[in-house]
Parts: sequence; structure tokens; C-alpha cells
Amino acid sequence: AQKITQTQPGMFVQEKEAVTLDCTYDTSDPSYGLFWYKQPSSGEMIFLIYQGSYDQQNATEGRYSLNFQKARKSANLVISASQLGDSAMYFCAMRESGNNRLAFGKGNQVVVIP
Amino acid sequence: KAGVTQTPRYLIKTRGQQVTLSCSPISGHRSVSWYQQTPGQGLQFLFEYFSETQRNKGNFPGRFSGRQFSNSRSEMNVSTLELGDSALYLCASSSAGLAGDEQFFGPGTRLTVL
Repeated sequence: AQKITQTQPGMFVQEKEAVTLDCTYDTSDPSYGLFWYKQPSSGEMIFLIYQGSYDQQNATEGRYSLNFQKARKSANLVISASQLGDSAMYFCAMRESGNNRLAFGKGNQVVVIP
Repeated sequence: KAGVTQTPRYLIKTRGQQVTLSCSPISGHRSVSWYQQTPGQGLQFLFEYFSETQRNKGNFPGRFSGRQFSNSRSEMNVSTLELGDSALYLCASSSAGLAGDEQFFGPGTRLTVL
């Protein structure tokens, strides 16, 4: 069963605007972690932000914030003030307790236009 | 601190051959995980090594194997290559593979099987 769902088609975003990338997940484990990674065309996966299932507050890292809605099993990434360098694939991933295995979604393609 | 390094970056092999990929984790990190990324299947977990022991394994055939050395460097081997093994192979390191540990990815090895 698919554990991470990212269904948005490719997105074009105007420079300096905010963009929200949707991610829903499925788990019965009460303890889990959610991650967002950025993958530019070079291929390297760049860690952006982490949210633990017991964290009371939404995670933020610079221009990245995570809109965590636990009851809805949703962990959307918000990128504020988009920059040209934000053009990339963005992956949502989940790790359940007891192992270090990341389950990834299919990714969202973002293209920032000037 | 140096990041995760992977060698080689690019590799071209023919069907039936075998290949060995190498990953050097961040200094001090003891967990190394391997992932396969293809356009069709996305990112899939291969296996994880921690302190020279395989701790987790994904759903891949026995042709895919790995090992970890005492300095935490890891190698992945694919025997009897098939066309479908063409992919980007990513390795990720984390300090202990515990909840909340970030996984840092290397630049990947792009394998092409002809």
C-alpha cells in the first residue's frame, strides 16, 4: 500500500511568491517522522525539513515550513518567497518507528519563473 | 565536515555483468542506507547497514547485496545486471538511525545497463 501520496502535477511558480506542496501519508504507527527533500537536476537529495509525529509545533527552517495536520495525516511543505534556485523535484518521505527506512512519495516538480 | 561521497558517479555496464558501488558516509555516522531511483518506480529502499550489520532490507532480489566496513564505508553490489537495473543509486548516512536523525544523501551513482 502506498504510504506517501503526492498527487500535484508539475507547478510553475512566480519568483518571490509562496508555494505549497501537498503530502498525505498513511501509517498506523503512532511514532513516525516526516521529511521533505529537494532534488535538483543534478540528482542529489537535499534535506529541507523534519517533523516528528509528537512535535507540538509545525517545523520551520528558513523559507521552508511544514503545515502538519496530524488528524488529516497531512504534511504540506510551504516555500515562501520562491527563488529561481528552488526549481527542483520535491519529495515527501516518512520513517516509522523501529527502523531507518524512508518511504518516499512520487515527488512534485516545481519550476520557478522570473 | 565533508558530506556523503559516492563513487563512481557514472557507470555504464552491459547485461550480465556485475557492478560495485561505494559510499563513504559523513564522519561519525554509523548508519548507511541505499536507495534505487527510477522514473517508473520512484525511490525505493534497498537496505540499511549499521555497525557492519544489515539492519533492514527492502524488497529486492538477491542479486542486490551490500556490506559495511569497520570505518562505516559501505559498498553495494549488483550481480547479473539487467536492463531494469538502470537507475540512480543513492546512499544516505545518519548518525545512529534513530527517530529524528536526519538522513544525508550523497550525489548518487547513475548506472546505465546496455
